[in-house]
Amino acid sequence: DADVTQTPRNRITKTGKRIMLECSQTKGHDRMYWYRQDPGLGLRLIYYSFDVKDINKGEISDGYSVSRQAQAKFSLSLESAIPNQTALYFCATSDTGVDNEQFFGPGTRLTVL
Amino acid sequence: GNSVTQMEGPVTLSEEAFLTINCTYTATGYPSLFWYVQYPGEGLQLLLKATKADDKGSNKGFEATYRKETTSFHLEKGSVQVSDSAVYFCALSLYNFNKFYFGSGTKLNVKP
Repeated sequence: DADVTQTPRNRITKTGKRIMLECSQTKGHDRMYWYRQDPGLGLRLIYYSFDVKDINKGEISDGYSVSRQAQAKFSLSLESAIPNQTALYFCATSDTGVDNEQFFGPGTRLTVL
Repeated sequence: GNSVTQMEGPVTLSEEAFLTINCTYTATGYPSLFWYVQYPGEGLQLLLKATKADDKGSNKGFEATYRKETTSFHLEKGSVQVSDSAVYFCALSLYNFNKFYFGSGTKLNVKP
């Protein structure tokens, strides 16, 4: 079984709809992250959480919110989706060690019409 | 600030050719450096890493050396295969911040 899972894998929605993307991990890591990937822009950090009670904004948090329901679960919400939020979204986790490698989920492809 | 700059792609090579993908960085502290690979339809996977100056990371025939004097971490492979076709991301992380900064990615196409 995959260590980091994301649901749904693909989603098509309409402008103005509320959308939730979910991430679960079995690695036992405290730290979790949400990124979006756009062609030519690489990965940009949306939100990150260093433990259940710690939530931080990344470089592009406007229009997004998150919830850390448990150590293993970190959800990303789009309260009112807009077309320029069409992208590939990745969840990642990391341990607190010095090498702090990040482990990525398979991604969710979101299309906002 | 902190940032990573990669060469733009796509890079197209014939099988068994030599590969170099350039990566330079700017960091306010002492970063760890990483190369991640993304195969079509998949998430990112760690390819190799180096945590201090002059370290060499290596995996699956790929290598990169942490050069503090030139703030670079170029990815190399002596003989690429069709199966190496993917997007490669250079990244840095600062221990005290534990956030990653990714480059824009370089797409590699290897032709038989």
